[in-house]
Amino acid sequence: EVQLVESGGGLVQPGGSLRLSCVASGFTVFSNYMSWVRQAPGKGLECVSFLYTGGGTEYTDSVKGRFSISRDISNNTVYLQMNSLRPDDTAVYFCARVRYGDYIDLWGQGTLVSVSS
Amino acid sequence: DIQMTQSPSTLSASVGDRVTVTCRASQSISRWLAWYQQKPGKAPELLIYEASNLETGVPSRFSGSGSGTEFTLTISGLQPDDFATYYCQQYNAYPRTFGQGTKVDIK
Repeated sequence: EVQLVESGGGLVQPGGSLRLSCVASGFTVFSNYMSWVRQAPGKGLECVSFLYTGGGTEYTDSVKGRFSISRDISNNTVYLQMNSLRPDDTAVYFCARVRYGDYIDLWGQGTLVSVSS
Repeated sequence: DIQMTQSPSTLSASVGDRVTVTCRASQSISRWLAWYQQKPGKAPELLIYEASNLETGVPSRFSGSGSGTEFTLTISGLQPDDFATYYCQQYNAYPRTFGQGTKVDIK
């Protein structure tokens, strides 16, 4: 079955760190564009990071220098390392496969990150 | 960044209605636009890409049109399963950006 399964969310204090994991099944992350998209409570969707097939990355301005997207070919997993977390990073984080690097054709179920003291 | 603006924010409709959601881009994005449907507590699902191409498995009552800066999503004959929030997303430039969403609820 083709799917994405995220893990690693939770409650963290401001300034803390978390690493989200996204395990892919039914396809290889190495040959696909991948992204992390977040949704704050009751809000819309925001693409926070993007991973090109060649390994290049893109980040939205609000997370540049704090978040890092990467992949592990052996585990067929995409990661999002999140440092210096702030309360406005609180959101459900979705892992996503981006067809041709353009639009999302496969989403994970999401993992909730709560940043609060 | 390209700003995407949807209207209306909320739309009340009845089963069987024809529903139209509009999405405007702050600059021309040619036809590089996708539409997604999201139900509460679930991940979004792709409906339409390249402004008017229906994703495999999506019912034909969904259709999309437009180019440049103005786009529409139409549901012809609203079904109970269609009550949800709809988002547009441009992929003409990075960062990819979404509209704020249009919630279709029951009148």
